[in-house]
Amino acid sequence: EAQVTQNPRYLITVTGKKLTVTCSQNMNHEYMSWYRQDPGLGLRQIYYSMNVEVTDKGDVPEGYKVSRKEKRNFPLILESPSPNQTSLYFCASSMTGMNTEAFFGQGTRLTVV
Amino acid sequence: GNSVTQMEGPVTLSEEAFLTINCTYTATGYPSLFWYVQYPGEGLQLLLKATKADDKGSNKGFEATYRKETTSFHLEKGSVQVSDSAVYFCALAGGATNKLIFGTGTLLAVQP
Repeated sequence: EAQVTQNPRYLITVTGKKLTVTCSQNMNHEYMSWYRQDPGLGLRQIYYSMNVEVTDKGDVPEGYKVSRKEKRNFPLILESPSPNQTSLYFCASSMTGMNTEAFFGQGTRLTVV
Repeated sequence: GNSVTQMEGPVTLSEEAFLTINCTYTATGYPSLFWYVQYPGEGLQLLLKATKADDKGSNKGFEATYRKETTSFHLEKGSVQVSDSAVYFCALAGGATNKLIFGTGTLLAVQP
């Protein structure tokens, strides 16, 4: 089954404790990206990757890092989480760019206290 | 820059009612337009899309027409069901940024 898998689904952590949210896709897609969803703001892009070893900033990259060492994986790293990073995070992938159909993971609800 | 504006929710309808969710956009060039749907506890799924002016996207009884003259892509369905209850996002993609730009989402609640 074609899917994007994120882990964990839920995470509560404390300010400053490094964490990683994993994302994996099994569709051989070139393009992957991370979004955060906040009430009243819709989804905003954090980072994206057009292929292996190629990443770039989206609209709200501050406080986040990503890597793309393999085509299928695109982890999101929060080196020093802060409460304003409490949000619902989605990983997405598509064949080439987001003007083709995007497939989304089920989301990771992160709470930073 | 590019942006999407969609109607505020929530929208509450009775089963079999007609649905319209308005969406307008601002963009340079000729973006592709999308409606994504988010069911409770799930990620977003593509509902329909249109890639050029006057195209009509359709799926599961939902329709939207790409209107360049009014920069709109309104979502419609003739008869909603309880199972259509979800959050609906209008989005556009195109240009050098190669990303989806979303509206804020509209919550639809359909009552039996």
